[in-house]
Amino acid sequence: GAGVSQSPRYKVAKRGQDVALRCDPISGHVSLFWYQQALGQGPEFLTYFQNEAQLDKSGLPSDRFFAERPEGSVSTLKIQRTQQEDSAVYLCASSLGGLNTEAFFGQGTRLTVV
Amino acid sequence: GENVEQHPSTLSVQEGDSAVIKCTYSDSASNYFPWYKQELGKRPQLIIDIRSNVGEKKDQRIAVTLNKTAKHFSLHITETQPEDSAVYFCAASGGFSGTYKYIFGTGTRLKVLA
Repeated sequence: GAGVSQSPRYKVAKRGQDVALRCDPISGHVSLFWYQQALGQGPEFLTYFQNEAQLDKSGLPSDRFFAERPEGSVSTLKIQRTQQEDSAVYLCASSLGGLNTEAFFGQGTRLTVV
Repeated sequence: GENVEQHPSTLSVQEGDSAVIKCTYSDSASNYFPWYKQELGKRPQLIIDIRSNVGEKKDQRIAVTLNKTAKHFSLHITETQPEDSAVYFCAASGGFSGTYKYIFGTGTRLKVLA
């Protein structure tokens, strides 16, 4: 595709349910990022992949959050035992890689935990 | 930790006037500063960026200035138009952490009044 694609666009989960959010980056992009954006706030870094290697997961808020990118392309962010405070928009971004290259964002997945 | 402060949080200007948004960053090793525009319900999109070896960059009605000594950078939009209305985020990257993650400001909601 032409841009970063995320699915689903919207997800409603009951508290305690597990969810999986998918990101299809731009073809050939080495770097992939996940961000969490709360309502009215800026995106906050969650984790970073270079190809299939997860080089930075310092932003994951708890061990209920897990991300993978097994073949260096599609990535999945999994949240186990969702809680209300997990409600946010989850943004995925990809870039060619290397320092200071433009990051292209997907439209995000809006997760609502009820 | 790394931090980016952004002001003001909201800004209203008359069409045709200029708008200025200011950011400061804490990590003196940061060397890449992108600005993103996010319309309601849409993905953040890069509008301009600047690297630490440059003090100013201009692209039509948009300009960004960087003061490395003060750890301060600003977005300037001249001759504002209604379609400039959106939330603008500054970000800093490339700091001591050595990763490529962006640290975002909290955003400025710009309203251009016709």
